[in-house]
Amino acid sequence: KQEVTQIPAALSVPEGENLVLNCSFTDSAIYNLQWFRQDPGKGLTSLLLIQSSQREQTSGRLNASLDKSSGRSTLYIAASQPGDSATYLCAVSPASGTYKYIFGTGTRLKVLA
Amino acid sequence: NAGVTQTPKFRVLKTGQSMTLLCAQDMNHEYMYWYRQDPGMGLRLIHYSVGEGTTAKGEVPDGYNVSRLKKQNFLLGLESAAPSQTSVYFCASTIGPERPQHFGDGTRLSIL
Repeated sequence: KQEVTQIPAALSVPEGENLVLNCSFTDSAIYNLQWFRQDPGKGLTSLLLIQSSQREQTSGRLNASLDKSSGRSTLYIAASQPGDSATYLCAVSPASGTYKYIFGTGTRLKVLA
Repeated sequence: NAGVTQTPKFRVLKTGQSMTLLCAQDMNHEYMYWYRQDPGMGLRLIHYSVGEGTTAKGEVPDGYNVSRLKKQNFLLGLESAAPSQTSVYFCASTIGPERPQHFGDGTRLSIL
């Protein structure tokens, strides 16, 4: 059974720092992986989607990498800002073709001004 | 462009009551999903649909039913609400499994 883990559960950093959020999964047979952002009381917003054949995706100050063989993905945030404060979740889609996602419990990020 | 709209946003029910949550999307997406989010447990898939007229069970389907009579709407029903179904419910849609999922803002449901 696929399990997705995100460590740490919470993280506080001063503004301007570069930071890395981690996501690990137990079964390397995945279809793709998504990183989401969730603001308090809101739904999830997709940040980056990495297909199983890809190694990384970039969008602005965000860079997500995927290492299927080790069951790991990282989300790199450059020059963090207070507006980046949110919960970040990763989710993997199993390669079985059922189009379902398994979510991690998220990392709650606070960027201090 | 409204995206994914969930109604209602909040609801309080008594044990044993029934209700239906509505999810509507205006992006012509084929795939739609219902999740529940509970503290410390992340999002768990309840039911999903890969097209109009189709539904399938997710990870935690017991106590819920769904229908997808129209492509743009995905309904989640609770036949006899239980306190264990107190949660935040999210609907999501996507045009295909290779594309990002779009989420609604959630329905906060409390069952007393």
